Order: sequence, then structure tokens, then C-alpha cells
Amino acid sequence: DAKTTQPPSMDCAEGRAANLPCNHSTISGNEYVYWYRQIHSQGPQYIIHGLKNNETNEMASLIITEDRKSSTLILPHATLRDTAVYYCIVRVASYAGNMLTFGGGTRLMVKP
Amino acid sequence: EAGVTQSPTHLIKTRGQQATLRCSPISGHTSVYWYQQALGLGLQFLLWYDEGEERNRGNFPPRFSGRQFPNYSSELNVNALELEDSALYLCASSPFGVAGRETQYFGPGTRLLVL
Repeated sequence: DAKTTQPPSMDCAEGRAANLPCNHSTISGNEYVYWYRQIHSQGPQYIIHGLKNNETNEMASLIITEDRKSSTLILPHATLRDTAVYYCIVRVASYAGNMLTFGGGTRLMVKP
Repeated sequence: EAGVTQSPTHLIKTRGQQATLRCSPISGHTSVYWYQQALGLGLQFLLWYDEGEERNRGNFPPRFSGRQFPNYSSELNVNALELEDSALYLCASSPFGVAGRETQYFGPGTRLLVL
């Protein structure tokens, strides 16, 4: 699986958009980009995933660059409850299993 | 729709004992994954079950084992507990299919403390 690089921490003002970057320069054509978040001591929560096109759901938007070497997760109106560690993962499509590996992630602190 | 459930939420054991952790997947999901997350460390893959069969296991000793029942719920058993087994144990479920396209949804975890 391609390695991902994320900033260790970010701050965001409540009500503003939080833009979390992820570099995955070695991504291959059949690897998906997934985002999860984990609030302290809870199970990780799925946010969004994509392959090539930008994606949006009720939680967030995922912007993937045309060369797919980086992506940005956007939380449009961050709230205090969005304070968490956000993980960017790339996964290859395979019948051998979908084992996830979380790296260091980005610790997002939403401030009032 | 009910999410992934795990029990118990907390478990305290002593060295050498056995621990049994349980997981119920989302309805319709046939795959169950088990992960260990030790304090301050990342997620470590333990086991993957689908349709009652163990499909893959991570780099853990044989004293970590489990099974999946006909209703797709799963148990994780840890024998001969060691202090370093203290961690948050997470279960995730997904539909079976081409991995990478099938999203895993996590339960709240079981926090195991070995004294």
C-alpha cells in the first residue's frame, strides 16, 4: 500500500472550514483514498473515500488532485465535536483482504 | 440501522488468564476484522473472518485466536494474557467484496487491561 504523509496537528476555528491535507505520492491506479477519524479512546469513524473523482457526503468533501498524489479532506463548518485524530489511508482493491493500517494522522483541534 | 457492537466495553484480567471479546457486525455484513490499538500506537491488524472462515491474520502469536458464528458475529480469544496485551481491541465489519471498495465500519472497542 502507498504510504501517506499528514501534518501531525492542525487548529481550526469553530464554524470555519477545516482543510486536512494528505500526500500519497506513490499511490497506484487501483488504490482508493480513505479517511477515518478517531475521537479519543473511541472506535474509528468512517468519513469518506474516493478513487479519482472528488466526493462529497453529509460529513465532508474529498478533493483528490488530478495526478492523485495528494488529497484534501474538507469539513465545511467545523464544530467542537470534530476535534479528533484524522487518518488518511490508501488501500488497493483486492480479494486478499482490506486490512487497514493507520499512521500518525492529523490531530485536529477545533477551537471556540 | 444499528452499528457494530462490541462487548464488554471494559475488561480487567490478570497475567496468564484468558480473555474473550465479542463483536456483532452490521446487519448484512459478512466480514469481521479485529484490530489491536495499544496506547499511543497505531492500529494493528489481528484477524479477518468472512463466512465463518479465517481469511487472514496479522503478525500476532497463536494465543490470539477467534471464530465467526453462522450469524456472522465473532469472538476474539486471547490466551495466556501478558501485560503488553493491554490495549483497545476494535472490531470492524464490512460487506464481502473487492477489498478497497468495501468500507469498514468500526465498533466502539473493548478496552482490555492486564494486571
